[in-house]
Amino acid sequence: DVKVTQSSRYLVKRTGEKVFLECVQDMDHENMFWYRQDPGLGLRLIYFSYDVKMKEKGDIPEGYSVSREKKERFSLILESASTNQTSMYLCASSSPPRQGVFGQGTRLTVV
Amino acid sequence: AQTVTQSQPEMSVQEAETVTLSCTYDTSESNYYLFWYKQPPSRQMILVIRQEAYKQQNATENRFSVNFQKAAKSFSLKISDSQLGDTAMYFCAFMKPVTTSGTYKYIFGTGTRLKVLA
Repeated sequence: DVKVTQSSRYLVKRTGEKVFLECVQDMDHENMFWYRQDPGLGLRLIYFSYDVKMKEKGDIPEGYSVSREKKERFSLILESASTNQTSMYLCASSSPPRQGVFGQGTRLTVV
Repeated sequence: AQTVTQSQPEMSVQEAETVTLSCTYDTSESNYYLFWYKQPPSRQMILVIRQEAYKQQNATENRFSVNFQKAAKSFSLKISDSQLGDTAMYFCAFMKPVTTSGTYKYIFGTGTRLKVLA
C-alpha cells in the first residue's frame, strides 16, 4: 500500500522553538508539498518541491522553510515557532499530473 | 489569480438521498485537472474523483459523479444514495502547471462539511 508518512500526529511546542515536521513517501514521486489547513480557509500551500534540493514558495511561505535532501523526504521547518502557526499541517506527494497522495496530518500547537 | 470557491460551508443530507456539492474555479489555463477529496474525522485526505479538463465526459466513480461545465468553470460533485460513511469534509482542488519549474501544484477550496443523517 503506497504511503505518505508524517513523523508526528500531534505536536506541542513552545514559542520561539525551532520545529521540524518530517514527511516521507515511498512512491518515488517527484513532487512533494506542504499545506496548512485552518477552519474556513481550506488548504493553503506553504512550499513545494519538484526535485531533490529544488523548491518553490507557495502562497504562505513566511515564517517557514523547507529541506529536500533526498527524494523521499521533505521537511518543513518553523525557524522560530509562533502561536499563529498553530494549525494542521498536511504533506502530499505526486507524480504529475496524477493526483496528490496525502499523509495523515500533524496537528501542531504552539504555546 | 487562480482560485477555487466552494460556496457551501456546511450541508446535510438524509441517508439514501442525493446531494450536490458545488465548486467553481478561475483560471486562464486551457489544460488542467480537477479533483474532489474527502477528509473524514480521521483527517486522512482521500481522493474521490478526478476530471481532466480536455475530457468532455463527466467522471464517475460508483456513487460519486461530477458535473463539469468548462465554459462556466464549474465542477460540482453529486453523491447518490448517501451513506453515513460519507460524512466528511469535501475539498475541491485544481491542479495547474507551474511554468517556472515545469511542474504542477494544487490549489484547494475552503471545503464543504457534509453530514449524512440517519
